Amino acid sequence: GAVVSQHPSRVICKSGTSVKIECRSLDFQATTMFWYRQFPKKSLMLMATSNEGSKATYEQGVEKDKFLINHASLTLSTLTVTSAHPEDSSFYICSAKGSSYEQYFGPGTRLTVT
Amino acid sequence: AQKITQTQPGMFVQEKEAVTLDCTYDTSDPSYGLFWYKQPSSGEMIFLIYQGSYDQQNATEGRYSLNFQKARKSANLVISASQLGDSAMYFCAMRPKPGYSSASKIIFGSGTRLSIRP
Repeated sequence: GAVVSQHPSRVICKSGTSVKIECRSLDFQATTMFWYRQFPKKSLMLMATSNEGSKATYEQGVEKDKFLINHASLTLSTLTVTSAHPEDSSFYICSAKGSSYEQYFGPGTRLTVT
Repeated sequence: AQKITQTQPGMFVQEKEAVTLDCTYDTSDPSYGLFWYKQPSSGEMIFLIYQGSYDQQNATEGRYSLNFQKARKSANLVISASQLGDSAMYFCAMRPKPGYSSASKIIFGSGTRLSIRP
């Protein structure tokens, strides 16, 4: 199947700093990428839909100024958590959709804000 | 509104036995797609199986099969001959409008933690 990578896999940052997470589709072009957040032992919650070359569509309750999404190319989307706080600590997963019905998930990034 | 319900938070099954993970959904869309994903402790989401709402036959992929009952709005996952490596979280998911629309986002159920006993 198609491969989606995320970098970094783990990151620890201090409160008040910003963190950027990259999501790359390695062997296909992804016109749409999705960003999810997962709390421990909970399900994936969709944060936003990222379309190449246009602004992201955020789900209700997700602060767009807090979670900046950029989808500059067909293979790369980035999520920047600005002015991170401990409550932003979570597992962030991206997924990429190609031309078929399937949606391929990245391995996730575990963010810890101290 | 679309909704996915998984009523089994956890299940224990003996190795080599078959197991059924329940999933019901709610949608007003006439066309949709249903997915099952496996999430081991490493966190990656592994695609298992897909069923389109207009597919005539139940989907099968190796040891995985999807028991799709459209009238009941259920899409249970059946794992035959379970293995120790099947221990993981399993998520049922739905894309309200399948196809190639960029607006087709997947929504997830709460998950079932499956543990296989040796």
